[in-house]
Amino acid sequence: DTGVSQDPRHKITKRGQNVTFRCDPISEHNRLYWYRQTLGQGPEFLTYFQNEAQLEKSRLLSDRFSAERPKGSFSTLEIQRTEQGDSAMYLCASSREGYGYTFGSGTRLTVV
Amino acid sequence: DQQVKQNSPSLSVQEGRISILNCDYTNSMFDYFLWYKKYPAEGPTFLISISSIKDKNEDGRFTVFLNKSAKHLSLHIVPSQPGDSAVYFCAATGNTGGFKTIFGAGTRLFVKA
Repeated sequence: DTGVSQDPRHKITKRGQNVTFRCDPISEHNRLYWYRQTLGQGPEFLTYFQNEAQLEKSRLLSDRFSAERPKGSFSTLEIQRTEQGDSAMYLCASSREGYGYTFGSGTRLTVV
Repeated sequence: DQQVKQNSPSLSVQEGRISILNCDYTNSMFDYFLWYKKYPAEGPTFLISISSIKDKNEDGRFTVFLNKSAKHLSLHIVPSQPGDSAVYFCAATGNTGGFKTIFGAGTRLFVKA
């Protein structure tokens, strides 16, 4: 297991379409996080799972966003009715316990 | 409400000299601080961290200093190398629920050969 894997790396979609991203964390990590990064900003927290339970959601995560982590393994982040403002890099990270994260390479979303 | 602030968007340093990246935080509940490094088209990678019970942590060319009373930390890179050119994110966390980490906006470091 070499790290956190995210798929796809890039996604271009038309406004109004739904998109889904996948994250495969490091297998022994029970915590999984989703972040969003826009140009010139640091990663912004979106949501967090401990095993399969979604324990925290940011106010940034509108009703159009939903995340799941079935069986406490991989996670998906879905954005419904995409808007141009959703264009960003979506980063997934995992950790076993404590503080340090391992990030994936991210999914770059462009909404046209 | 920016809880972690990196006020310098960019920094340019000559190869071999010291790079000093600064970071300020506002939330006194933070008890662990981290620096991440990010290259284009990659996710951030962990660089070095420091617990609030310490004021210095060193790892090779990288040293992080923490001043709790001033709510300030800094990353020193000595000597700087061209391969250090990247965006550096300061981050802070604590047992405030899920060990959610709050990131600063980043400082882009240019190391000139």
